[in-house]
Amino acid sequence: NSKVIQTPRYLVKGQGQKAKMRCIPEKGHPVVFWYQQNKNNEFKFLINFQNQEVLQQIDMTEKRFSAECPSNSPCSLEIQSSEAGDSALYLCASSPQGDSSYEQYFGPGTRLTVL
Amino acid sequence: GDSVTQTEGLVTLTKGLPVMLNCTYQTTYSPFLFWYVQHLNEAPKLLLKSSTDNKRTEHQGFYATLHKSSSSFHLQKSSVQLSDSALYFCALSLSGGNYKPTFGKGTSLVVHP
Repeated sequence: NSKVIQTPRYLVKGQGQKAKMRCIPEKGHPVVFWYQQNKNNEFKFLINFQNQEVLQQIDMTEKRFSAECPSNSPCSLEIQSSEAGDSALYLCASSPQGDSSYEQYFGPGTRLTVL
Repeated sequence: GDSVTQTEGLVTLTKGLPVMLNCTYQTTYSPFLFWYVQHLNEAPKLLLKSSTDNKRTEHQGFYATLHKSSSSFHLQKSSVQLSDSALYFCALSLSGGNYKPTFGKGTSLVVHP
């Protein structure tokens, strides 16, 4: 079973508010991914890290979204000014080193509702 | 660019029947293919993975074979159970760093008694 921890499980924000969610990857996994899963269950990649460094991120992440994975602290994803369209399940996944296939272990997600 | 196409929408079956969920991919590089399963209100979990051509991989009664000649990695099970009702995602990854995996749109499998 995956040991990726995500908090909070549920988050309700008003439009324009900040929304912040956290992820603790599995121990020993240096690669972390953030995805947005929409109401149609489709995955949208947001950003990934190897240790503390960003590997890739999409344009959406570069504008209203910010993310970090500091050393010895949980990773975080923050939406600076929430919009209704941001309502979704935000999934964090981690991947072990030594296997470049990016086999991913997912957390249970943070379900964000923007009113 | 790289892409994954899988059986879309809903697949409904009666318990005990066989199932095959299709997954095809496009890439010019050497692929890793995955199947993930997501039960209602749970995290997606890795079900199968493969990077070896023409080798069958199995887990929990599910199996799939990566066929590079046809760019396919179809998921099969010979006899579905009620507990197999879930979302199934096919995903593609490539060797080397700095690459984001590509997911298919998911297939919802519903198994009836």
